[in-house]
Amino acid sequence: EVQLLESGGGLVQPGGSLRLSCAVSGVTFSSQWMHWVRQAPGKGLMWVSRISGDGTNIKYADSVKGRFTISRDNAKNTLYLQMSSLRVEDTAVYYCAANGGMGYWGQGTLVTVSS
Amino acid sequence: QSVLSQPPSASETPGQRVTISCSGSSSNIGLNSVNWYQQLPGTAPKLLIYSNNQRPSGVPDRFSGSKSGTSASLAISGLQSEDEADYYCATWDDSLNGFWVFGGGTKLTVL
Repeated sequence: EVQLLESGGGLVQPGGSLRLSCAVSGVTFSSQWMHWVRQAPGKGLMWVSRISGDGTNIKYADSVKGRFTISRDNAKNTLYLQMSSLRVEDTAVYYCAANGGMGYWGQGTLVTVSS
Repeated sequence: QSVLSQPPSASETPGQRVTISCSGSSSNIGLNSVNWYQQLPGTAPKLLIYSNNQRPSGVPDRFSGSKSGTSASLAISGLQSEDEADYYCATWDDSLNGFWVFGGGTKLTVL
């Protein structure tokens, strides 16, 4: 069974930083394209970033480019999202998703940006 | 404003058939396959349809997808109360540097 478990969410002030993690099991992690997707309260899904299995191919949504960094540790089967210069509008549940078409999803972790 | 356009809501009675549309452009749906996701209340999204019309293992054949030109559709037949959820289409957009894009979502109510 494929399992994705996000962690690292919480309350942070505007301008602050936070690192999210996503531990993956039940699948060959190093061969999986991985994504971060977020959902603001009461809103729809928004794709944030994507990374290839070997970490060499990375894309970001324009709204987070230059502020967020996606990375992975294939030895630890873990995906990361380093978020800096956080804004109130970054408040959302952040999901990690596995495989190119986002076939597997974690349960999400809530990030609240507020003073 | 989402790059992919979906109706914000849809409703139908149990046992009936409902269709949800997803309209895009030549840089996204026109070039790439479409996925559909189901999000039950309070839960994470789940892949429902991939590559326009393929169902992952475990998804009932009541769910079907299609694509034509720059539009796609999700059809649900034999509606059940447990189908009440938000549904999202998504695809890759080849404009700019490339990015994934979701539709705004359609809230399905089973009357």
